[in-house]
Amino acid sequence: GAVVSQHPSRVICKSGTSVKIECRSLDFQATTMFWYRQFPKQSLMLMATSNEGSKATYEQGVEKDKFLINHASLTLSTLTVTSAHPEDSSFYICSARDLGQTDEKLFFGSGTQLSVL
Amino acid sequence: SQKIEQNSEALNIQEGKTATLTCNYTNYSPAYLQWYRQDPGRGPVFLLLIRENEKEKRKERLKVTFDTTLKQSLFHITASQPADSATYLCALSSGGYNKLIFGAGTRLAVHP
Repeated sequence: GAVVSQHPSRVICKSGTSVKIECRSLDFQATTMFWYRQFPKQSLMLMATSNEGSKATYEQGVEKDKFLINHASLTLSTLTVTSAHPEDSSFYICSARDLGQTDEKLFFGSGTQLSVL
Repeated sequence: SQKIEQNSEALNIQEGKTATLTCNYTNYSPAYLQWYRQDPGRGPVFLLLIRENEKEKRKERLKVTFDTTLKQSLFHITASQPADSATYLCALSSGGYNKLIFGAGTRLAVHP
């Protein structure tokens, strides 16, 4: 089946630094990728929809300047958490749909646990 | 306001029994609904999709129903096994790009 690779799986950083998370579709193309955030024992919250070659669409309440999304190719989207603070500590997960399939299921990466000290 | 509700309490059942999980939603008109499995520290894995014009879908030991009048989906695992222990998430399609909005999930524990 389709595979979405997400790196890094875990990152610890100091407050004020920026962290970049990569999401790659390994064996399929994706014009659209979705970035979610999940706090412990809570639901996945959609942050933004990443569109290849154009600007990302952010959900209400998500700061565009803080969570920079770049979708430069059909297989790669990146999320950069700028000037991270402890409240940004969370589990970040990307997902994508396979353009070559007719169903609407999402393939998820394995997630990135971000801890900001 | 829009809501997706799943039982927040864990569901504990005996091996071999049928597990039934509930997903209720308000103020959505989804074209389809999906169920995912999530293990701790991992991304969700797709299980089943059911469309608004379908009442029931089956896949091996899994069965999903979708009642758009009640705004409810039921997810069944028959002949449950300890390996089925995980958190199960329901998700609705919403808006542009058919983005998925997730419920909080229900944790299932199957005991030997």
